[in-house]
Amino acid sequence: EMQLVESGGGLVQPGGSLRLSCAASGFTFSSLWMHWVRQAPGKGLVWVSIINTDGGTTRYADSVKGRFTISRDNAKNTLYLQMNSLTVEDTAVYYCARDGGRNLDYWGQGTLVTVSS
Amino acid sequence: QSALTQPASVSGSPGQSITISCTGTSSDVGTYNYVSWYQQLPGKAPKFMIYDVSNRASGVSNRFSGSKSGNTASLTISGLQAEDEGDYYCTSYTSRATWVFGGGTRLTVL
Repeated sequence: EMQLVESGGGLVQPGGSLRLSCAASGFTFSSLWMHWVRQAPGKGLVWVSIINTDGGTTRYADSVKGRFTISRDNAKNTLYLQMNSLTVEDTAVYYCARDGGRNLDYWGQGTLVTVSS
Repeated sequence: QSALTQPASVSGSPGQSITISCTGTSSDVGTYNYVSWYQQLPGKAPKFMIYDVSNRASGVSNRFSGSKSGNTASLTISGLQAEDEGDYYCTSYTSRATWVFGGGTRLTVL
């Protein structure tokens, strides 16, 4: 059974850092590009970042460029999102999702990040 | 990158059909056939419904269909059912090799 399980969310102060993880199973993780998407409380989905199969190509939304870094460890079947210089506007549920061919065909359940003093 | 434009809400009675529009630009929806749609039920993760404008994802009812004309994509749900109630989002691949979502549409089944 395919699974994506996010972890690492929590409460962090403005200006702080957090690293999210997404553990994948049930499919060949190393063969697929992967996304991060976020959803602020009561708001819509916002695309955050994508990474290719070997980690050599990454893209970011303008709102997180220079602050967030996406990476992956194919040996551990795990996707990461390093988030630095966090602001209250980064408060959201963060989802990892599998790329099925320029679409997001399978999603995890999300992990909540709260940025607050 | 500005979000794609979707109506905030739509509604319909059981058995009726509704259409949700998703308007972008020539940098995304208008150029690429990589428009997909997602259903999000309350408290749940999004569910993949439609890809490449008009293809249904595995297991999705044939009551759901997608189309595109110019810079606007559309999701149509026919034979509306109570279980269809939720939020719907479109997304498109863009000329910057990024993705952009619509603001979301709340579907209410009356």
